[in-house]
Amino acid sequence: KNEVEQSPQNLTAQEGEFITINCSYSVGISALHWLQQHPGGGIVSLFMLSSGKKKHGRLIATINIQEKHSSLHITASHPRDSAVYICAVAGNQFYFGTGTSLTVIP
Amino acid sequence: DGGITQSPKYLFRKEGQNVTLSCEQNLNHDAMYWYRQDPGQGLRLIYYSQIVNDFQKGDIAEGYSVSREKKESFPLTVTSAQKNPTAFYLCASKTPSTGNTGELFFGEGSRLTVL
Repeated sequence: KNEVEQSPQNLTAQEGEFITINCSYSVGISALHWLQQHPGGGIVSLFMLSSGKKKHGRLIATINIQEKHSSLHITASHPRDSAVYICAVAGNQFYFGTGTSLTVIP
Repeated sequence: DGGITQSPKYLFRKEGQNVTLSCEQNLNHDAMYWYRQDPGQGLRLIYYSQIVNDFQKGDIAEGYSVSREKKESFPLTVTSAQKNPTAFYLCASKTPSTGNTGELFFGEGSRLTVL
């Protein structure tokens, strides 16, 4: 049983396209995190949110607590956005999705 | 710059050997975590520590051991008892918070390969 489900698993986009990655979860949470993992393996935190919407540059994260669903949007995608994006939820412990591998082609 | 430093980045081990992965942070965080990442799976918790001199087993602690003698350091030992140790290991820390609402910081990871 996966507490966190992400879709799609893999995504290829042309540079400039609008991208959406979805995350659904099944546990009660206090916060949801969007993480970015680069090919070298290191992970950086993009967003932590518990309600509504957050924006940072070309990245937008939304969460619907009632529906237990979050989305990560990337506007005007660029090859440097190519990475694995991981959704994680903070319940009684952290639960992690399996990640969405994004490739943006020039 | 504050952050988490993991070493070594790559490590090869023969079967039957113990190896220790280093994790050092200068963020002054109390909470630290070790995760294992395997292809096609989400990060799985090995051990965590909420404070110096205290640590708790995570979901997959068998074959691993940790210590937390200093706030900055949380080394992970992969023992010969770990049946399938080849994996990518990530160390993380969390900002102080109520419950689990703090922000996570990760190291660059250590890739262990058993020959």
